Amino acid sequence: DTGVSQNPRHKITKRGQNVTFRCDPISEHNRLYWYRQTLGQGPEFLTYFQNEAQLEKSRLLSDRFSAERPKGSFSTLEIQRTEQGDSAMYLCASSLGQGDATEAFFGQGTRLTVV
Amino acid sequence: EDQVTQSPEALRLQEGESSSLNCSYTVSGLRGLFWYRQDPGKGPEFLFTLYSAGEEKEKERLKATLTKKESFLHITAPKPEDSATYLCAELSGAGSYQLTFGKGTKLSVIP
Repeated sequence: DTGVSQNPRHKITKRGQNVTFRCDPISEHNRLYWYRQTLGQGPEFLTYFQNEAQLEKSRLLSDRFSAERPKGSFSTLEIQRTEQGDSAMYLCASSLGQGDATEAFFGQGTRLTVV
Repeated sequence: EDQVTQSPEALRLQEGESSSLNCSYTVSGLRGLFWYRQDPGKGPEFLFTLYSAGEEKEKERLKATLTKKESFLHITAPKPEDSATYLCAELSGAGSYQLTFGKGTKLSVIP
């Protein structure tokens, strides 16, 4: 399968715990994005990487969220001290971009439930 | 502030009954208008990108069009397997790669 891969698919955690999600983009895609989606809403942008550089972060992204993309390959999204409001589907997408707008391909997402 | 508005929120069609979904976007600075399909519990699946007013793209029973203020997703003779949520997103603003999504239109096609 050469699509965007996300792990785990589901995560249940207790409030206050830290969680980490992994995203493996489509091979050779230099752009990687994280989005969050809650029920009945469209995906909401969190952050964007071009290769290993994090170039854009949403103003809504609290200090408890951090993302990395070492060596410009896979990416991780960590949420510290989880809160019930963090419960959502976390989506990763990647695209091959050398100029302006290009289509982003999404993974299946990681569904986080904070209890 | 960027805003994408989709209508209707939900649409029920009989199999074979053609219709259109609407997406209104922020007028200034549009760099791309995207359509995605999303099935329950899955990530969005890319359908189309439109870049300028007057542009049209087709794929099977779907056709996307773009005007200066809105985009339409036309569904011709839909089948039950077309049932899904259709999301519209805009890319705007110089130097940003942030997609702003609408809430989607949930389409149900009844046999």
